Amino acid sequence: DAGITQSPRHKVTETGTPVTLRCHQTENHRYMYWYRQDPGHGLRLIHYSYGVKDTDKGEVSDGYSVSRSKTEDFLLTLESATSSQTSVYFCAITTGTPTYEQYFGPGTRLTVT
Amino acid sequence: AQSVTQPDIHITVSEGASLELRCNYSYGATPYLFWYVQSPGQGLQLLLKYFSGDTLVQGIKGFEAEFKRSQSSFNLRKPSVHWSDAAEYFCAVVPYGQNFVFGPGTRLSVLP
Repeated sequence: DAGITQSPRHKVTETGTPVTLRCHQTENHRYMYWYRQDPGHGLRLIHYSYGVKDTDKGEVSDGYSVSRSKTEDFLLTLESATSSQTSVYFCAITTGTPTYEQYFGPGTRLTVT
Repeated sequence: AQSVTQPDIHITVSEGASLELRCNYSYGATPYLFWYVQSPGQGLQLLLKYFSGDTLVQGIKGFEAEFKRSQSSFNLRKPSVHWSDAAEYFCAVVPYGQNFVFGPGTRLSVLP
């Protein structure tokens, strides 16, 4: 357990509305990640952060933005939600070397109607 | 193309039987290798990892995995499966200088 919480845990929203998901960690890890999980695709990286105000795109970043104003918080925003963004979203952290392990939050199930 | 494959989408085994889940990767150099397990409605939990050294690694919950360079494989094994092992299993790799890349997952069902 790496002290990662996500909020909300479940959300239903309508197409076209903005949505923000929050990830909070308590152990001061530098690297944080947002993934989406869809059947048959495993986890796909949306965005990641390597420090406060330092973020970069992953493989499925279109339609998503992120912000990290504090080490402990990493926000994922869907500017205008679409049905294709219905998914389970996971936040993760990576410990530094030498252990280099990734730990996950409990997930947020988002449904866009 | 660089990728991580898990050839079996779904495997069913009887309780007490042995288990092997396959993982193959296609990267030029040997990446860091991981196995994760996900129970329904939960996040992913790290089972074990391989960076270098002994090619047979032990993990939690009685799992082990063997790295075979010649086959670009990192297969997960367990000698005797318990009903509580029913879950989805993900292989992941970290190519040098890159982020984690996850396979599509293998769903394990356990028959009583």
